[in-house]
Amino acid sequence: KQEVTQIPAALSVPEGENLVLNCSFTDSAIYNLQWFRQDPGKGLTSLLLIQSSQREQTSGRLNASLDKSSGRSTLYIAASQPGDSATYLCAAQGNYQLIWGAGTKLIIKP
Amino acid sequence: DAGVIQSPRHEVTEMGQEVTLRCKPISGHNSLFWYRQTMMRGLELLIYFNNNVPIDDSGMPEDRFSAKMPNASFSTLKIQPSEPRDSAVYFCASSLSRMTGGQQETQYFGPGTRLLVL
Repeated sequence: KQEVTQIPAALSVPEGENLVLNCSFTDSAIYNLQWFRQDPGKGLTSLLLIQSSQREQTSGRLNASLDKSSGRSTLYIAASQPGDSATYLCAAQGNYQLIWGAGTKLIIKP
Repeated sequence: DAGVIQSPRHEVTEMGQEVTLRCKPISGHNSLFWYRQTMMRGLELLIYFNNNVPIDDSGMPEDRFSAKMPNASFSTLKIQPSEPRDSAVYFCASSLSRMTGGQQETQYFGPGTRLLVL
């Protein structure tokens, strides 16, 4: 049974810092690994999707990597801004179903 | 496109009442998902439809929960009778996906319905 873990559960850093959020999964038989952002009281917004055949994806200041063999994915945020404050969730997809991590709550201090 | 639309955005009801949540997926998407999010359990998949057909309802908590998708542009999640432990945020998401195998597209989420059962 797939299990997805995110570390740390919460992170607070000063504005401008580069940071890394971690996601690990127990079953490497996935079709893709996705990162989402959730703002308080809002829905989830897809940030990056890495297909199983890919190693990384980039969008602006965000870069996500995938290492299926070790069961790990990282989300790198460059030059963090207060607007990046949110909860970041990763999800591993097998067939149609997404298995979710509990999320990392990120606070960027001005 | 307006994205996934959910209504109502907030619902407060008393225990024992029937609650109906509504979802309009993105036009052209063939997959629809209902999720429940709580602090204790995080995001849980309740039911998955593909081409309007329920494929996996193993996440539906019990018989009090039911979901329908009468056409490609509308789905409902009904709770009858509601209980305080049903209080949560319910999300609907849609995607353009194969049912099994191969690359899958990302899911697009609605803003959610915040349900409070007193």
